[in-house]
Amino acid sequence: DTEVTQTPKHLVMGMTNKKSLKCEQHMGHRAMYWYKQKAKKPPELMFVYSYEKLSINESVPSRFSPECPNSSLLNLHLHALQPEDSALYLCASSQVPTGTGGPQTFGSGTRLTVV
Amino acid sequence: GENVGLHLPTLSVQEGDNSIINCAYSNSASDYFIWYKQESGKGPQFIIDIRSNMDKRQGQRVTVLLNKTVKHLSLQIAATQPGDSAVYFCAEPGREYGNKLVFGAGTILRVKS
Repeated sequence: DTEVTQTPKHLVMGMTNKKSLKCEQHMGHRAMYWYKQKAKKPPELMFVYSYEKLSINESVPSRFSPECPNSSLLNLHLHALQPEDSALYLCASSQVPTGTGGPQTFGSGTRLTVV
Repeated sequence: GENVGLHLPTLSVQEGDNSIINCAYSNSASDYFIWYKQESGKGPQFIIDIRSNMDKRQGQRVTVLLNKTVKHLSLQIAATQPGDSAVYFCAEPGREYGNKLVFGAGTILRVKS
């Protein structure tokens, strides 16, 4: 298995809703990432988990809450989002949590719309 | 700070021609570079990578060239096909930021049939 699987593919939520994005990989990768991508822009890093521990938080608002239940799973809990949070949310993983250790493998993303 | 950027935002090529996508970087200590392809509605897909101890690396129909003297990176696609139409990003794991991936702005490649 060489894929990163993200669910759901599309999500529409109201500003008072609570929802979660899920990400799964079975490549034995020990680093997992959440990115946010707006239209016509490159992905922007949100969080990095290394060996199931949060290692980088790029000053993301607390309405985004990441969770890494085990080495294969990564969640992003959403609460009280704003319309400007609408974007493509990408999950990625890499074999080791060092930048030069190899490329990151990306999932297809969750297209989130906040209404 | 680190900057990985692209010269051309959009590149249009005729099917069958070769494509060249360029990328500039500012950190002379950068030692690893990655090219990603992102098709509409999909996540970035790894194409090829290169380390700074190499000047050139070839894959299937793709070649990456690295010129450390001028801090320039290019992706060459041979015999461009309609399926190559996508946004192409160069990226660098910014050393200052641990394993943070720093992306260039992206180049849109349009292949005309």
